[in-house]
Amino acid sequence: DAGVIQSPRHEVTEMGQEVTLRCKPISGHNSLFWYRQTMMRGLELLIYFNNNVPIDDSGMPEDRFSAKMPNASFSTLKIQPSEPRDSAVYFCASRGTGGRQPQHFGDGTRLSIL
Amino acid sequence: GESVGLHLPTLSVQEGDNSIINCAYSNSASDYFIWYKQESGKGPQFIIDIRSNMDKRQGQRVTVLLNKTVKHLSLQIAATQPGDSAVYFCAETGHTGNQFYFGTGTSLTVIP
Repeated sequence: DAGVIQSPRHEVTEMGQEVTLRCKPISGHNSLFWYRQTMMRGLELLIYFNNNVPIDDSGMPEDRFSAKMPNASFSTLKIQPSEPRDSAVYFCASRGTGGRQPQHFGDGTRLSIL
Repeated sequence: GESVGLHLPTLSVQEGDNSIINCAYSNSASDYFIWYKQESGKGPQFIIDIRSNMDKRQGQRVTVLLNKTVKHLSLQIAATQPGDSAVYFCAETGHTGNQFYFGTGTSLTVIP
């Protein structure tokens, strides 16, 4: 079975540019999560969706960050304009329905803002 | 200036020995707990989970123990192998069961 798929795997761009990260959750999962991981702060939850609806975006650091989930099989995390301090690994995870279920992670996008 | 990052607890074990990784959680209302393994360049990988109505759960070479009295979770890995070298995270759910709260992780190094 295909797991969570993220693209691109690596992104290097100059500050001020728009960055779009993409995620395809596991088919049938109804919850999707975006995380950021850095050495300084560890793994931080940015936003999560249930049934394509954003439930909690309190972790989104600034208005420069936005996330969408137009359908059950696709989500984007956008940073505009990007800044060097946004450099991190961004993970997407999805979770199935019914009781207590683990989140399943993609392999992340390593983002470097120069 | 020098940057200061998270100080990850580290554990080094000899190949073939058993490993025990510990985790303290803070929310007494949490009812679901998960252990993840993260290898370099990869996302966290689910290892084993346990619900709060259980004290122990076993998988293949791994055992999770839950002590709700002291809010402590542990992961035991039997006959540790070089492929077990990774960072291990515990995660707990809050009372909603939707959000997971991750610990800072423990770095396990297996010495051949």
